[in-house]
Amino acid sequence: GAGVSQSPSNKVTEKGKDVELRCDPISGHTALYWYRQSLGQGLEFLIYFQGNSAPDKSGLPSDRFSAERTGGSVSTLTIQRTQQEDSAVYLCASSLATPISGNTIYFGEGSWLTVV
Amino acid sequence: GENVEQHPSTLSVQEGDSAVIKCTYSDSASNYFPWYKQELGKGPQLIIDIRSNVGEKKDQRIAVTLNKTAKHFSLHITETQPEDSAVYFCAAIGGTYKYIFGTGTRLKVLA
Repeated sequence: GAGVSQSPSNKVTEKGKDVELRCDPISGHTALYWYRQSLGQGLEFLIYFQGNSAPDKSGLPSDRFSAERTGGSVSTLTIQRTQQEDSAVYLCASSLATPISGNTIYFGEGSWLTVV
Repeated sequence: GENVEQHPSTLSVQEGDSAVIKCTYSDSASNYFPWYKQELGKGPQLIIDIRSNVGEKKDQRIAVTLNKTAKHFSLHITETQPEDSAVYFCAAIGGTYKYIFGTGTRLKVLA
């Protein structure tokens, strides 16, 4: 696609329910990131996928959070038993390869999650 | 660990004036420094970037400068316009794939 696509754009869920957020990266991009942005805050790294390598999950805040990337393309971020502090914008980004060489990462519009 | 500090957190300027946002990074291996603009309700968008072998880069009203010795880099916006109002993030990357972002600067251009 032309850009990183995320769905849903907005999600309101009840505390304790599970949610799934989807990311469709730019075609051909092998690297995929998830970031979390709480209201008025910066960008918190969650997880990184690169090709078929094992993902870097070091940013996931708890074991309620998990992510997978099937077929090296679409990724799903799952939050189980949601809590109010999970309310945030979840941003997905992708790049051609590892940014070590300076490949820019491109962000989607984000999924705005509200836990009530 | 790696860290990027960004200042100021908020900045208000009159339309037509210049705005400067500064970032300092800690990882001396960092060699790529992008700047992102985030408008309300949207994802961050790349506006300009600079690599460590360059000291300055300009694109119309936007410029970025880099001082590798001091580990500083700055975003300069000249002739600011109301549509420049947004949150700006700096980032640094070098030895790993993790982008380290600054905490953001909320720029408000007053008409």
